[in-house]
This record gives sequence, structure tokens and C-alpha cells, in this order.
Amino acid sequence: NAGVTQTPKFRILKIGQSMTLQCTQDMNHNYMYWYRQDPGMGLKLIYYSVGAGITDKGEVPNGYNVSRSTTEDFPLRLELAAPSQTSVYFCASSYEGQTTGELFFGEGSRLTVL
Amino acid sequence: RKEVEQDPGPFNVPEGATVAFNCTYSNSASQSFFWYRQDCRKEPKLLMSVYSSGNEDGRFTAQLNRASQYISLLIRDSKLSDSATYLCVVFNQAGTALIFGKGTTLSVSS
Repeated sequence: NAGVTQTPKFRILKIGQSMTLQCTQDMNHNYMYWYRQDPGMGLKLIYYSVGAGITDKGEVPNGYNVSRSTTEDFPLRLELAAPSQTSVYFCASSYEGQTTGELFFGEGSRLTVL
Repeated sequence: RKEVEQDPGPFNVPEGATVAFNCTYSNSASQSFFWYRQDCRKEPKLLMSVYSSGNEDGRFTAQLNRASQYISLLIRDSKLSDSATYLCVVFNQAGTALIFGKGTTLSVSS
């Protein structure tokens, strides 16, 4: 059982480039989330989805886009990368939404924008 | 007051020590509270939920004080493997998303 899988694990981008962080889960969870974590800071919610075809903005959505065409996949796209987007990105999923508090996280994608 | 505040530490303790972390929150209407653990350069994992009456899980005890709006985590008989960052998690004002604290770092030494 792989759980939540994120790719790539590491990436260096130049300012203005675009890229997509991939996230897939095999637990048949309806809810999926993207967080970013800056050094010494808490996780900030970027976008979330409550099911295929439905996405919503979180706390820090600017500069990002998401889609949810299937239950399993929730890619995060960065358009026109900026140094402020240097961070560790975590994808997570849950079965019943956030009310139970148990989110299953991927191992993270470390992105550096130079 | 920030939505979730934690003392960042680090807390440096010897094996066998008892250590406690506190976390304050601003949303007085929040009904759900959690502690997550995050190892260095790893993803966060749920450690335990925090119930109104307090709850234990082995060496770990979580307490909630609604009047003062804080939750605590007590670790007894600390092990080297307890070294990690402990994240306090509550619901936001709208009740729609989990808010993670910055975390408290614990280092247990032999």
C-alpha cells in the first residue's frame, strides 16, 4: 500500500519557469490537500479538493493552480515560478475531510526557485 | 493572538525525563485539536487527537483547557526516538481547514 506519492522529490527552477508537482493516492480518499512549509514555519494550505471535479482555495493560493480529474490524482501547477515559492510542498489526503484530523501526507517535494 | 502559537524550543532533555509542550489557540469555537509529529525532513504524522476530558496514549498525555484556550502534550520517560518536532493543530475560524502551529522541537539525549 503506497499511500500518498509525490513526484518529484527535489527540483530546482529558474524564475519564470513553470512546473507541475504530481500527487497520487491509492487509499480511495475523497479529500486531498496541498500544503507548503517554509523553514521554521507551520504548514500553510494552498488548495484542497473534496472530490473529483471540485477544488477550493486555501490560505495561500496565489501563484498556484490545481485540478482534480480523478479521485487518485491532485497535481499542483506553479506558473511563473518566483523565489518566494521556494518551499517544501506536501500533498495529503483524508477519508472524511479534516474533521477527524487524520491527514496522510506524502514525503514532500523540495522546490528551490533561483 | 495568532491562530495557533507554540514555543519553538528547542527543548533539550535527557532520556527518561518528562517534558511538556503548550499550545495556545485563538478560535474559541474550535471543537477539534490534534498533535502531529514531524521528524527532521520528513512528513508530519498524526500523533494523537486531544479530547475534552484529556487522553493518554502510552507515555503521551494530551490535555485541553478551553477556558484558557490552550492544549498541552506531556511526554513521560522520554526516549531518544521521541526527538522530533511536535505540531499543534486546530481548526481555523471558519471551521473549514486545519491550522498547523510552527512546531516545538524536542531533542532527547543519552
